[in-house]
Amino acid sequence: NAGVMQNPRHLVRRRGQEARLRCSPMKGHSHVYWYRQLPEEGLKFMVYLQKENIIDESGMPKERFSAEFPKEGPSILRIQQVVRGDSAAYFCASSPLGGDQETQYFGPGTRLLVL
Amino acid sequence: GDSVTQMEGPVTLSEEAFLTINCTYTATGYPSLFWYVQYPGEGLQLLLKATKADDKGSNKGFEATYRKETTSFHLEKGSVQVSDSAVYFCALSRGTYKYIFGTGTRLKVLA
Repeated sequence: NAGVMQNPRHLVRRRGQEARLRCSPMKGHSHVYWYRQLPEEGLKFMVYLQKENIIDESGMPKERFSAEFPKEGPSILRIQQVVRGDSAAYFCASSPLGGDQETQYFGPGTRLLVL
Repeated sequence: GDSVTQMEGPVTLSEEAFLTINCTYTATGYPSLFWYVQYPGEGLQLLLKATKADDKGSNKGFEATYRKETTSFHLEKGSVQVSDSAVYFCALSRGTYKYIFGTGTRLKVLA
């Protein structure tokens, strides 16, 4: 059973470009969570999605960031017009429908570097 | 607001040494407490958890006890191995999907 997969693992963008981060949850999981880890800080919750629904985006910056989890395909975290402060590790986690949401399974993360 | 503080790393130990990684938290009530481990190139994996005061979580020789009086959840292992080299994250949750993580402590075990 494959774990949570994220790609790319490393992404380099110049200021003003767009970054798209993908997350494929574990098989059978329908809840996806995105976290961001800024340098020297802990992981911070960004958004919680179920298929075709954003359940909680209270941790998302108000501008330039968006997330989706379509009926088919991976969850996408999209950052428009990136700035240097967006450089961070972005982790995705998933949990099964009806399961314990406290127990989340994490992917290896995408390291975003904005030049 | 809620927060988690971990000791800074890196922590470098010789094989078979005793390990302690300190974790303290600030939160009202009784959150659940967790230790996650991230091996090189992999995602975070749940190592152990405790959901109420005085509970002891244990797994793979690691232990941590939920101490309400000192608001701590220190991770310990009696004899570390090279394969334990990883980054360790302490976290809390209020029974929902929102974790509060510490900054992580990198452990390096030398043969």
